[in-house]
Amino acid sequence: DTEVTQTPKHLVMGMTNKKSLKCEQHMGHRAMYWYKQKAKKPPELMFVYSYEKLSINESVPSRFSPECPNSSLLNLHLHALQPEDSALYLCASSQPTLAGPYEQYFGPGTRLTVT
Amino acid sequence: AQTVTQSQPEMSVQEAETVTLSCTYDTSESNYYLFWYKQPPSRQMILVIRQEAYKQQNATENRFSVNFQKAAKSFSLKISDSQLGDTAMYFCAFLLDDKIIFGKGTRLHILP
Repeated sequence: DTEVTQTPKHLVMGMTNKKSLKCEQHMGHRAMYWYKQKAKKPPELMFVYSYEKLSINESVPSRFSPECPNSSLLNLHLHALQPEDSALYLCASSQPTLAGPYEQYFGPGTRLTVT
Repeated sequence: AQTVTQSQPEMSVQEAETVTLSCTYDTSESNYYLFWYKQPPSRQMILVIRQEAYKQQNATENRFSVNFQKAAKSFSLKISDSQLGDTAMYFCAFLLDDKIIFGKGTRLHILP
């Protein structure tokens, strides 16, 4: 199973709402990532979890709050978002090796619209 | 800081032709990984091919192959016998210390 799943596929939320994005992988990978992708642009790294600990936060606003409950799950909690936060949010996972990190496998993404 | 440059924003080729996508990067590191990812319209990002910087041999994966020139910091992707399903955005990517840096992408259209 080389699949990363993300729910929901689409999400529309108001600026005062609180919602969560979920990501799951069963490949035994110990590193998981959140990316933000705007239309026709490359993904931008937001957060990295390595062995369930937050290892990289790319200066993301606090209205985005990541959580890694266990090695298979990654959540992104959203609160008080702005319309410019509308984007495709991608989750990815990879397996760290002794030689260093390796390729990342991406989920299909959650398309978020903030109204 | 590492940078990745894809100089071709968009390309179109006829089905069955061969096409080469360019990528250059800049780094002072000696050990790193390079990838090409493919993102079809409204579909999932998938890995096309990987190259370890310490390997001199160019990676191949069926119809996909790379020309890795470490000294020149160049990493081009060749697609042979192109198919309609190859239509996608292609991202060149550089991996170091758990962070991927993507190029801006090349939108490839395969024409019937």
